[in-house]
Amino acid sequence: DAKTTQPTSMDCAEGRAANLPCNHSTISGNEYVYWYRQIHSQGPQYIIHGLKNNETNEMASLIITEDRKSSTLILPHATLRDTAVYYCIVRGNYGQNFVFGPGTRLSVLP
Amino acid sequence: DSGVTQTPKHLITATGQRVTLRCSPRSGDLSVYWYQQSLDQGLQFLIQYYNGEERAKGNILERFSAQQFPDLHSELNLSSLELGDSALYFCASSAARGADEKLFFGSGTQLSVL
Repeated sequence: DAKTTQPTSMDCAEGRAANLPCNHSTISGNEYVYWYRQIHSQGPQYIIHGLKNNETNEMASLIITEDRKSSTLILPHATLRDTAVYYCIVRGNYGQNFVFGPGTRLSVLP
Repeated sequence: DSGVTQTPKHLITATGQRVTLRCSPRSGDLSVYWYQQSLDQGLQFLIQYYNGEERAKGNILERFSAQQFPDLHSELNLSSLELGDSALYFCASSAARGADEKLFFGSGTQLSVL
């Protein structure tokens, strides 16, 4: 079973920041938070991952709370092409598989 | 383009038949994962191979089997097909293990069982 809880859906205005929350209150010390997204019926796409420090790459920023029980994925300037289902996954260092929950359906509106 | 190639893109077959789905991982990736995505179940992990050896098994039916060949490509075999097996089947590959493991997914095979 997925170890994360995400809102079912969210809307965001084009050009604004999209902040997608994720709760993972039972996360263990060696488990990472990963974010993937799936646009329509394409294969899921890796976005970012982190352990406890905030992370940023060319796609997004990941903010993890100090107690690590929740995180937020930030798309700084959402475009229509960011409309997708976003999956937050908690996974251990080794040997655990990527368990996808239902995710958050983000709709970027013009 | 993720670099993971899946064939065929679409497959239409009848109940009771057997099909084979093929996956070519990214160059150099040793791990291959198979996932099934149906409308009511979401993305379900089926099985993982690492360098030719089965590494982990998920919700894979006994009618389904997979293997990874010496050239690292993988095949997923589905037999005695039922209507409920209609789904998108994704393959993913990865290079590193552990904390830096990132999955790269192919574009999937859409299986329709009629």
